[in-house]
Amino acid sequence: SAVISQKPSRDICQRGTSLTIQCQVDSQVTMMFWYRQQPGQSLTLIATANQGSEATYESGFVIDKFPISRPNLTFSTLTVSNMSPEDSSIYLCSVGRGGDFNEQFFGPGTRLTVL
Amino acid sequence: GNSVTQMEGPVTLSEEAFLTINCTYTATGYPSLFWYVQYPGEGLQLLLKATKADDKGSNKGFEATYRKETTSFHLEKGSVQVSDSAVYFCRRYGGSQGNLIFGKGTKLSVKP
Repeated sequence: SAVISQKPSRDICQRGTSLTIQCQVDSQVTMMFWYRQQPGQSLTLIATANQGSEATYESGFVIDKFPISRPNLTFSTLTVSNMSPEDSSIYLCSVGRGGDFNEQFFGPGTRLTVL
Repeated sequence: GNSVTQMEGPVTLSEEAFLTINCTYTATGYPSLFWYVQYPGEGLQLLLKATKADDKGSNKGFEATYRKETTSFHLEKGSVQVSDSAVYFCRRYGGSQGNLIFGKGTKLSVKP
């Protein structure tokens, strides 16, 4: 398994501001994923981040709103830009292992509330 | 399109009751199937998985069998405990596309 930490664990932010969420993994991984889990909902994949290349965004998510950095094989950041109350959610970092990275391990999540 | 459908919760059971949480999937090809559990205030943890038809995943007393003929991966436990109270997510990965698809989650509450 992989041990994943996220910072901050929670935050309350004002509308129009931006928040950068950090994800640290205890081992080198090729693929890292960022998910959003809105209250009472399932997980929605925001983007997939490979080290050394641009992140791949899912439908409905764009780089200007959710810029991602992947500077090395153990670290990634997700920024939620120009926040609105609709961005209030739990943001989860995940890494993939195994064939086709099909096995995933998750960080504890960052609970974001936008006022 | 490719998707996962879980039974809607919440599910409330008494301790030692039998648990079934239904999960069906649509996908072309042969996806891998997973169950994840999210305990209150924690991140998701892999509970069990099956990567091909007729495989049975098991862990902590939970079981699920990959049934291709019914495209299902139902989660079962013979005797639930209060500590099993959590949200359970079914997930499929792969098939003809490398999508990472989660079900909506089923909240389980076990009463003493």
